[in-house]
Amino acid sequence: AQSVTQLGSHVSVSEGALVLLRCNYSSSVPPYLFWYVQYPNQGLQLLLKYTSAATLVKGINGFEAEFKKSETSFHLTKPSAHMSDAAEYFCAVSVAGGQGNLIFGKGTKLSVKP
Amino acid sequence: GAVVSQHPSRVICKSGTSVKIECRSLDFQATTMFWYRQFPKQSLMLMATSNEGSKATYEQGVEKDKFLINHASLTLSTLTVTSAHPEDSSFYICSASSREDQPQHFGDGTRLSIL
Repeated sequence: AQSVTQLGSHVSVSEGALVLLRCNYSSSVPPYLFWYVQYPNQGLQLLLKYTSAATLVKGINGFEAEFKKSETSFHLTKPSAHMSDAAEYFCAVSVAGGQGNLIFGKGTKLSVKP
Repeated sequence: GAVVSQHPSRVICKSGTSVKIECRSLDFQATTMFWYRQFPKQSLMLMATSNEGSKATYEQGVEKDKFLINHASLTLSTLTVTSAHPEDSSFYICSASSREDQPQHFGDGTRLSIL
């Protein structure tokens, strides 16, 4: 069975600082992993996805994530936070190796201080 | 990019009424659509998966007679909350995928408030 754990329900950083949002997964098959962003009262927007190609995945808005099998992690990073990055971020793993049937983590709310 | 339109964005209605939410894929054919429910400050919980032309597959604990899902075409799926009650108030989000190996594209969600 697949599952996702996001460490930290709330992360606060200063504008220009490094953003690190943690995600650990559990999967009985090679996982497909995703990061989504959700702005208030909106749906989810795909930031990036790992599908067994390169372990360092670059996404939109300057975000990237590194798949580390030995650590079962897929942490999301951005070198320099911007005020517009404030949002809720969800890590997800796909059931059965495809890209359907996503299992989401509980989310991490990112706040960016001026 | 792929666009999924969800309508309405917000609905407020009295207890006992039925509410229909539409999910449309605007620029691609969605063989599979997903319906999620999100409680305040919580993650998305998958309610059901629907494939065009067949019955939806509901997750454990989701009442199929309460949440009716129809996926009649490759671009439209509907979720009807029947005889809605205050405990059905939530944020409902749909997503659509064109193929098994393609990612899901999400609608902007529908905030349902039952008085």
